[in-house]
Amino acid sequence: DTGVSQDPRHKITKRGQNVTFRCDPISEHNRLYWYRQTLGQGPEFLTYFQNEAQLEKSRLLSDRFSAERPKGSFSTLEIQRTEQGDSAMYLCASSPQGDSPLHFGNGTRLTVT
Amino acid sequence: GQNIDQPTEMTATEGAIVQINCTYQTSGFNGLFWYQQHAGEAPTFLSYNVLDGLEEKGRFSSFLSRSKGYSYLLLKELQMKDSASYLCAVRGSQGNLIFGKGTKLSVKP
Repeated sequence: DTGVSQDPRHKITKRGQNVTFRCDPISEHNRLYWYRQTLGQGPEFLTYFQNEAQLEKSRLLSDRFSAERPKGSFSTLEIQRTEQGDSAMYLCASSPQGDSPLHFGNGTRLTVT
Repeated sequence: GQNIDQPTEMTATEGAIVQINCTYQTSGFNGLFWYQQHAGEAPTFLSYNVLDGLEEKGRFSSFLSRSKGYSYLLLKELQMKDSASYLCAVRGSQGNLIFGKGTKLSVKP
């Protein structure tokens, strides 16, 4: 069990650029979650997959954000036309089905200049 | 709508006991989780309640009352390393997990 892996750890980009983050969940976990967290706040839910199906997407998520999990394994989160307000820690988590807790990765810290 | 409330900050003394409260109003309920998050690190799982009552795990205990929409996390024999943010989270009807804003606990000698 190597845990949830996220890449890159840090990303600095200029406003208006597109960025893509990757998440590799724990191998036997079929649920995968994306969250965004800013300083002093709790993780804010973005979206959630069960296998390759995107089951829920936050209404807070604008059309600039898209997530995929094409083969039910790793997932990508893309942000188009980044804005300074997108600067945050983007956390990925995975869990097996049922009542099990989420296991978080170490996150990707995005800074938009 | 969904709302999870917990105090923003708390301070306690090493060796003491502290209780962190959480109230929630969510559409659907499939369990309540507590996570610990040290600064700059990922959240780590502490406890889970789905039925009313107290769950004990070492120095940490968590209580749930579904009828009152209320939970608390109890930390005993506080240590300096317990200084962290404590996050209350509720699993909704579709399986997602919604977090509160977290309670920053400072343990002082």
